[in-house]
Amino acid sequence: GDSVTQMEGPVTLSEEAFLTINCTYTATGYPSLFWYVQYPGEGLQLLLKATKADDKGSNKGFEATYRKETTSFHLEKGSVQVSDSAVYFCALSKGNQFYFGTGTSLTVIP
Amino acid sequence: DVKVTQSSRYLVKRTGEKVFLECVQDMDHENMFWYRQDPGLGLRLIYFSYDVKMKEKGDIPEGYSVSREKKERFSLILESASTNQTSMYLCASRRTGFHEQYFGPGTRLTVT
Repeated sequence: GDSVTQMEGPVTLSEEAFLTINCTYTATGYPSLFWYVQYPGEGLQLLLKATKADDKGSNKGFEATYRKETTSFHLEKGSVQVSDSAVYFCALSKGNQFYFGTGTSLTVIP
Repeated sequence: DVKVTQSSRYLVKRTGEKVFLECVQDMDHENMFWYRQDPGLGLRLIYFSYDVKMKEKGDIPEGYSVSREKKERFSLILESASTNQTSMYLCASRRTGFHEQYFGPGTRLTVT
């Protein structure tokens, strides 16, 4: 069946470091892909999305490119800030179904 | 902006109580969802609704029921709360034809 696999955390980085959180998916057809972010004690917020192959989603300095050949949607940011500390979820949508990864916790230290 | 609100941020209930969690969205979305979130398990779908008075079971419906009498409101009901229902509950909505879901702030429920 369809699924999303993202890298295990937790991830700890120093401020201004480069961030990559890996996400791969299994799905037939052409799913849409998302990254959500959850700050402590809050619900999930949509961070970025891509709806077709080679699309790049971007927001707040984060980017992810929909790679159909490698079935991946890795999240990147060139220079993280303390305020980026949160849990990041990769997700896939196809039809009425929505699948989430288990989340990757990121802590950025000053 | 889409706004999804949930009736309580924190809730403490006793075993055996009937618990109501309310969710309201203000963007006329047709589809609404209830998830629970537990450490190490991610988000799991409990129920969803694609129209008023319509409901579909998700992956873990046991011990829960839902009600959707109005388009903007989707209620999750724990008929007889148990300690293993202690969790974070997240509501979401989605417009038909679009893929992204919009989430509320969550309700952290503790059953003692």
